[in-house]
Formats: sequence, structure tokens, C-alpha cells
Amino acid sequence: SYVLTQPPSVSVAPGKTARITCGGNNIGSKSVHWYQQKPGQAPVLVIYYDSDRPSGIPERFSGSNSGNTATLTISRVEAGDEADYYCQVWDSSSDHLLFGGGTKLTVL
Amino acid sequence: EVQLVESGGGLVQPGGSLRLSCAASGFTVSSNYMSWVRQAPGKGLEWVSVIYSGGSTYYADSVKGRFTISRHNSKNTLYLQMNSLRAEDTAVYYCARSPSLSYMDVWGKGTTVTVSS
Repeated sequence: SYVLTQPPSVSVAPGKTARITCGGNNIGSKSVHWYQQKPGQAPVLVIYYDSDRPSGIPERFSGSNSGNTATLTISRVEAGDEADYYCQVWDSSSDHLLFGGGTKLTVL
Repeated sequence: EVQLVESGGGLVQPGGSLRLSCAASGFTVSSNYMSWVRQAPGKGLEWVSVIYSGGSTYYADSVKGRFTISRHNSKNTLYLQMNSLRAEDTAVYYCARSPSLSYMDVWGKGTTVTVSS
């Protein structure tokens, strides 16, 4: 079955750029979506279809997807961006929705 | 306002059953793909099940044969019937909307299920 691999943690200083990766076999051929989840809260969609931002999500959040890696990029990181981030795809071969294991973003 | 509100969680013994509900407002459940996603304590998100707008249903291998997803169109409500519950089913259960078979743009706040004797 298809597997999405994320680094368990990423740390970044305020004002710098954070990059969170999501690896999968030929993931560039799939649409990747990203969610932010803060402690005790439901997930929030921050990027869909690789690079689109829902209304209300800051332009600091962007996404890309090519080859075997999709990337969520957060520019000018703020303390409020500290959260868990999950990538997600729909695996049409199994009719299953898949999440990556999640990445904890720490703002130093 | 577009909203999802889950209910029905609680404490249940191993082998028991529980039915979760997810009441939608501001949109029509039957016109969307609707999923259940769970999160065990301290763990990541795990997709559980989806019901297509056309009515087809699909399940994660971990719950197939034990859980049933359904909807009541006139009540605009999504359900998850959970049977033969195990300790590893302990989690916060979220319902979520997918306007297309891809991303989930609206999530409920979740309901907690604890399976323990």
C-alpha cells in the first residue's frame, strides 16, 4: 500500500523559513493536501491541490510537489505557527485516504 | 455557517458498540464526500471511512467489517456505527467534509471514544 513519510520534527527560528517534506513513491503524480493541527484542536486545511491556499490562510504558507517529495513551506515563521502538520493524499488504487505520520514544527 | 458537530462518544467496554453522529449545517451532507478520521492519544491522524455522494462506502483495513458509515439525508447527518470495539479504537473521532474526492475542508471538533474495561 502507498506510504507517506514525514520527518517527526522540524525546528526553526522566528522569522526564518520552515520546510516540511512529505515523501512518497512518485507523489508528484498525486494531489497533496496539508493540514495544521494545534494541541486540543481539530485539523485545519492550509494547502490543497499541492499549492492552493484556502481563504484565510496567510500567504506565508505555500506548497510544491514534484517527483517523490511534496513540500510545505512556511515563510517568516511566527510563534503561532507551532503545530503538527500532516500531508494527505487520496490513493485511487485502493479508494483509501492516506495521511503522513505528521511533523511537529517547533519555533525556537 | 458551515459546521459539523460530532456526538455519541463515550466509555465502552471491549467488544461493545457505539454509534457516532455528525450533524451538518450550512451545506448538504449527501452532496459531498464525508469522512471519519480518528486520532489516538498522542498519535497522528488516521482515516477511518468515507461515504461518497453517490452512496459508495470505503473503510480502512483496521476497521473493515466492524464499522459502518451511513448518512440520513433528511436529518443532514453522518453516522459511524462501531461494533466489536477494541482498546486500539480509543481515539478522538472527527467527521470531515470533502467537496471533491481529495481534501477535507471542514472538520468537526471531534468526539472522544474510550474503549476500556
